[in-house]
Amino acid sequence: ETGVTQTPRHLVMGMTNKKSLKCEQHLGHNAMYWYKQSAKKPLELMFVYNFKEQTENNSVPSRFSPECPNSSHLFLHLHTLQPEDSALYLCASSLTGGTNQETQYFGPGTRLLVL
Amino acid sequence: AQTVTQSQPEMSVQEAETVTLSCTYDTSESDYYLFWYKQPPSRQMILVIRQEAYKQQNATENRFSVNFQKAAKSFSLKISDSQLGDAAMYFCAYRSARDGTSYGKLTFGQGTILTVHP
Repeated sequence: ETGVTQTPRHLVMGMTNKKSLKCEQHLGHNAMYWYKQSAKKPLELMFVYNFKEQTENNSVPSRFSPECPNSSHLFLHLHTLQPEDSALYLCASSLTGGTNQETQYFGPGTRLLVL
Repeated sequence: AQTVTQSQPEMSVQEAETVTLSCTYDTSESDYYLFWYKQPPSRQMILVIRQEAYKQQNATENRFSVNFQKAAKSFSLKISDSQLGDAAMYFCAYRSARDGTSYGKLTFGQGTILTVHP
């Protein structure tokens, strides 16, 4: 596998369910990101991890809980979501430090539908 | 806070022709990066081109080039010899070059849907 992978690609869940999204990067990067992409809205940054430490939480509700066990893996744990949380969730990774190494590379996304 | 605006929700172009997508941004910073990303219907976001604000020379990647006007805070993307595979949503994005809590944060525009007609 190369690049950034995300599983599952599609997820349907009820408001009382607990599920997790997984992201894995095979690029040797040290920073990972979660974005939310809703219809007709710009991508919204949710969380940033740099060397496994969370460096940004963009006012995300607590029903979204990120986890970064190492620089290659990033999870987004979902609990008691609302229908308005239905969106495409994109993971990205990058190297930090160095002007040519900070470009973010994206995974294919997880399409989430909350019923 | 930085903002990025793409004023063209949709654009279309004939195959082999040239099209320009517009992007403007607002920032008080002097050092930053600008990007164009492409998101085809398969949803994989792909980097098209990148520009460092301190460089006066416009970035070019094969058929893709930018017109970076720092004073006007404008960053347009020109696609030459358009191909059917260029059809996608295109996003303009801004990233600060400063360290700090915004480190690594990309601010995206609303996107422009590009249709390529055969």
